[in-house]
Amino acid sequence: DVKVTQSSRYLVKRTGEKVFLECVQDMDHENMFWYRQDPGLGLRLIYFSYDVKMKEKGDIPEGYSVSREKKERFSLILESASTNQTSMYLCASSPPDRDHTEAFFGQGTRLTVV
Amino acid sequence: SQQGEEDPQALSIQEGENATMNCSYKTSINNLQWYRQNSGRGLVHLILIRSNEREKHSGRLRVTLDTSKKSSSLLITASRAADTASYFCATSDLYNFNKFYFGSGTKLNVKP
Repeated sequence: DVKVTQSSRYLVKRTGEKVFLECVQDMDHENMFWYRQDPGLGLRLIYFSYDVKMKEKGDIPEGYSVSREKKERFSLILESASTNQTSMYLCASSPPDRDHTEAFFGQGTRLTVV
Repeated sequence: SQQGEEDPQALSIQEGENATMNCSYKTSINNLQWYRQNSGRGLVHLILIRSNEREKHSGRLRVTLDTSKKSSSLLITASRAADTASYFCATSDLYNFNKFYFGSGTKLNVKP
């Protein structure tokens, strides 16, 4: 079974803390994504990586950074967590296939910043 | 933003009825996909339709695509209580097909 695993289901952090959200996939996919999901706003793309050490900003990169040192791992970093970053974070991966492309999602990390 | 919009935001039907959800998007696409999300979980891929296709079927799912109107619809026939979930459309950009943009979702409630 293909798998995308996020390190935590629930996380509570304090304002100003540096927060790391980890995501690992076992499908050897080139593409990996971080989305943020908020009620009424759907999924918004934060960052996208199409190869190791390659990244591209999505719609809402402010306040976030990413790291992709190995193909299977894509980390989302909140440099200084703020309460408006309380949200559900979803990681996904996909192969670089124009005709059959499909995103595989992790189970999500619900982050609360207090 | 290239994010799409689903309509309606919420839909409540009886078991056995059909459910139709619509999606509109803004840019030229390579393909459009539909995903399902059970409460508080990750998304699961349902069906993909390419930009040169007009209709596609998979089991009880039927997807249509109108690129001239930049819109798609998802029809679930003979719905079941287990179909209760949120449904999202996602577009793969024509010029960067590796990138996916999701809509805001339709919350479907199927009453037994």
